Amino acid sequence: DAGVTQSPTHLIKTRGQQVTLRCSPKSGHDTVSWYQQALGQGPQFIFQYYEEEERQRGNFPDRFSGHQFPNYSSELNVNALLLGDSALYLCASATGTGLVTGNTIYFGEGSWLTVV
Amino acid sequence: DAKTTQPPSMDCAEGRAANLPCNHSTISGNEYVYWYRQIHSQGPQYIIHGLKNNETNEMASLIITEDRKSSTLILPHATLRDTAVYYCIVLKHDYKLSFGAGTTVTVRA
Repeated sequence: DAGVTQSPTHLIKTRGQQVTLRCSPKSGHDTVSWYQQALGQGPQFIFQYYEEEERQRGNFPDRFSGHQFPNYSSELNVNALLLGDSALYLCASATGTGLVTGNTIYFGEGSWLTVV
Repeated sequence: DAKTTQPPSMDCAEGRAANLPCNHSTISGNEYVYWYRQIHSQGPQYIIHGLKNNETNEMASLIITEDRKSSTLILPHATLRDTAVYYCIVLKHDYKLSFGAGTTVTVRA
């Protein structure tokens, strides 16, 4: 049973460019959340997708957008990249949202984004 | 969501039990306590979670006080590979995890 998988593992982009990161949730999971972790900091919640809709959003600008597909996989898009967007981007998956409590949330290994 | 307070760091001898405290005095009745750890440059690893009863799995034990205002994560026999940042998080059903600074645990040979 594969866990949460993310791609790519590392990438380098130039300021102003756009990037797309991908996440496949753990088998049986239908809720995907994205987090940003800057060097030396704890992960910060970006947004969460369930039933192909954004259900919750953290304090991130509209440059950060996402999508969830019918197979529950998800993409994180960041437009007009800034140097400060350099971070580890983490995907987390779980089963259901708002209905079932106490389920386990699993993380992928993340995608390291460097903006130069 | 309830906030948590953890010591910034702690050392532990290899082979001994590591007891990691967490205060969550503003926790409400429907909030769970989750523990994760993160080894440098890797994604957070789930350890254990609980509501009000003590929990044990193959990795650790979670002891939650009767008033639920604090908890302790116990690693029964710490190894060098347990060196990591440990996060205690209080979570409602919305799965929006709020990570604090965590406790940096260093296991020494």
